[in-house]
This record gives sequence, structure tokens and C-alpha cells, in this order.
Amino acid sequence: QQQVKQSPQSLIVQKGGISIINCAYENTAFDYFPWYQQFPGKGPALLIAIRPDVSEKKEGRFTISFNKSAKQFSLHIMDSQPGDSATYFCAASRDSNSGYALNFGKGTSLLVTP
Amino acid sequence: KAGVTQTPRYLIKTRGQQVTLSCSPISGHRSVSWYQQTPGQGLQFLFEYFSETQRNKGNFPGRFSGRQFSNSRSEMNVSTLELGDSALYLCASSLETGAGAKNIQYFGAGTRLSVL
Repeated sequence: QQQVKQSPQSLIVQKGGISIINCAYENTAFDYFPWYQQFPGKGPALLIAIRPDVSEKKEGRFTISFNKSAKQFSLHIMDSQPGDSATYFCAASRDSNSGYALNFGKGTSLLVTP
Repeated sequence: KAGVTQTPRYLIKTRGQQVTLSCSPISGHRSVSWYQQTPGQGLQFLFEYFSETQRNKGNFPGRFSGRQFSNSRSEMNVSTLELGDSALYLCASSLETGAGAKNIQYFGAGTRLSVL
């Protein structure tokens, strides 16, 4: 049972455009929402993360928007560049004495064309 | 600071065999988690270790097991390999400084396991 649903599965954006990836979750106990970026042959790398006490977080060209009531969050990549072409995963977890297992979405393959 | 190191990078095994994968976390990190990545199922949590104890386990059969040593290094073992076990196995480590600590997990490059 997929606890985090991610869309779209793939995305093609022109250089300079805005890339938007959406995720939705079910478990209201989740309190940590990271986005990971993965290049071929590499492990996922943390891009940006948010906790539900804020509705938006921006780091450079990357912004997370968070809607707690709708149980949705999204990643916006402004001024997308060919170097941003990668697979992006959203995830969710909760602080717990039993650990911090990340529940991942199925990923979005982003291609930024020149 | 060295990142998370996983060895070997590639493995080829046949059905029925067993395999052991190794993970060295970032120095000072005490928590190690393992994930399986496949094209169909994506990234799925296997288990997490903290202070040599398994703290959490995902929905995988008992053929998948792991352990953590006193230096925080971890190994995972898969016994009686099946074709469907072919995947990229990722290890992640986190610092974990206490209750409410940020769960920033740093991933290794993974071990690519092919079962023939």
C-alpha cells in the first residue's frame, strides 16, 4: 500500500521553465517531508525538506509548498536547467521511538531540454 | 568527510544462493537504514538499525535480515535468492541526536544485485 502518491511519472520542461511535481499522503502522523534527487548510478541525495508547521520553504531555485489540510505537498523548480534532469522522489516519515523510515513516492523522471 | 560507502557495487548471484551486502555509515552516524529500489515498486524500506538493535522493519519476508556492529557498520543478508530480489539496495545513515532530531538520511550509491 503506497502511503505517498507522486505525480507525474515523467515530466519534460524547457530550459528556464518551471517544473512542478506533486505528492499526496494519507498518514496524518507524518511530520517530515523531504525531497530527494537521484542521478543515474547514484544514490538519492536530499534536496530540500519541510515540516508541517510551515506552508512553504525555499532554497535557491527549489521550493516546497505544503498543504496540511489537503495532505499534499509539491516541489517547484524555478528556472529549470538541463543539469536538473534527474529522478525526483518525495517522501514522508514521522519522528518515532521506532525509527524514521522514509515512505517514498514512486518518483518523477524530469528531463529539461535545452 | 567520507559519505556512506556500500560494498560491493555490483553482484551477480543465482537463484537459491545467499548474499551479504555491506554498508559503512558517515563517521559519527548511529542510525543505518536499508532500502530496496526497483523500477516497479520504487524505493521500499527494509529495516533500520540503531545502536546494534533493529528498530523498525518494513514489509519484507524473513529471507531479508540485517545487523549492525558496534562501530555502526551494517550488513544485510538475503537468503535463498529469488529472481524478484534483483534490485538496487541502498543504505542510508543519519546522525540522530535525540528525540525530535531532524531525520536527514544520507544515501550511499547502492549495491546493484542481479539474480539469474
